[in-house]
Amino acid sequence: GNSVTQMEGPVTLSEEAFLTINCTYTATGYPSLFWYVQYPGEGLQLLLKATKADDKGSNKGFEATYRKETTSFHLEKGSVQVSDSAVYFCALEKGAGGGSNYKLTFGKGTLLTVNP
Amino acid sequence: DAGVIQSPRHEVTEMGQEVTLRCKPISGHNSLFWYRQTMMRGLELLIYFNNNVPIDDSGMPEDRFSAKMPNASFSTLKIQPSEPRDSAVYFCASRPSSRGRGYTFGSGTRLTVV
Repeated sequence: GNSVTQMEGPVTLSEEAFLTINCTYTATGYPSLFWYVQYPGEGLQLLLKATKADDKGSNKGFEATYRKETTSFHLEKGSVQVSDSAVYFCALEKGAGGGSNYKLTFGKGTLLTVNP
Repeated sequence: DAGVIQSPRHEVTEMGQEVTLRCKPISGHNSLFWYRQTMMRGLELLIYFNNNVPIDDSGMPEDRFSAKMPNASFSTLKIQPSEPRDSAVYFCASRPSSRGRGYTFGSGTRLTVV
C-alpha cells in the first residue's frame, strides 16, 4: 500500500539556520505530494505541493522538489524564523481506480522548534 | 470563502454522555474526511465521504462512533457513550473533486471526556 516516511523529530534550530526535513514515499505510479504545517492549537494548512516528477513546490520561503528516482520530497528552507515553529506533515495523494476516491496518506509529522 | 467550519471548538463532557461534533465543508467540495489527533497515535483517518456517501469507515474505532452526511453542506460525528480515551482533537477536512488540490482542514474540536 501507499506510505510516507518522514524524519522523526523533534528538530530544534536557531533562528536563520538552514532547515531540511526528509520525506520519502512508497506508492505505485505518480502520486501528488504535499507538505502541510500545523501551528499550535490550529488545524493543518497546506504549505506546498507538487503533482508530477521534477516539479518544485514553494511557499513562504519553503521548497520541496518531487524526486521520482529517489521517491523523495524533502522540505527545505534557507533561513528559519521563530514563527516557523510548528509540526510539519508530508503526505501523498493516490487514486484508487479511475474515479475520485483518492485520499491523502500522511507521515507521522515532525515537530520543529526554532529558538531566537 | 469561510473555510471548513467545525463546532464546537472545545467540548468537555462526562463519561457516558453523548457527544456530537459538527462540520460544514467548503461549498463545492465533494469529499469530506474526519480525523482524530492524539499525542500517542498521531493523526488517524476515521471515515471519509464522497458525494455524501461513506466510502471508507475502517478507521472508526468501534460501534460507539458514528458519522453522517445528510447533505453536501453538513456532517456530524457522534460518540455515544463517550469514554475518557476518546479525548482528542477531531478534525474535519474537505476536498474538491479535482486531483492534486489537497485538503482544507477545519480548526478542530478539542474533546475532553472526564
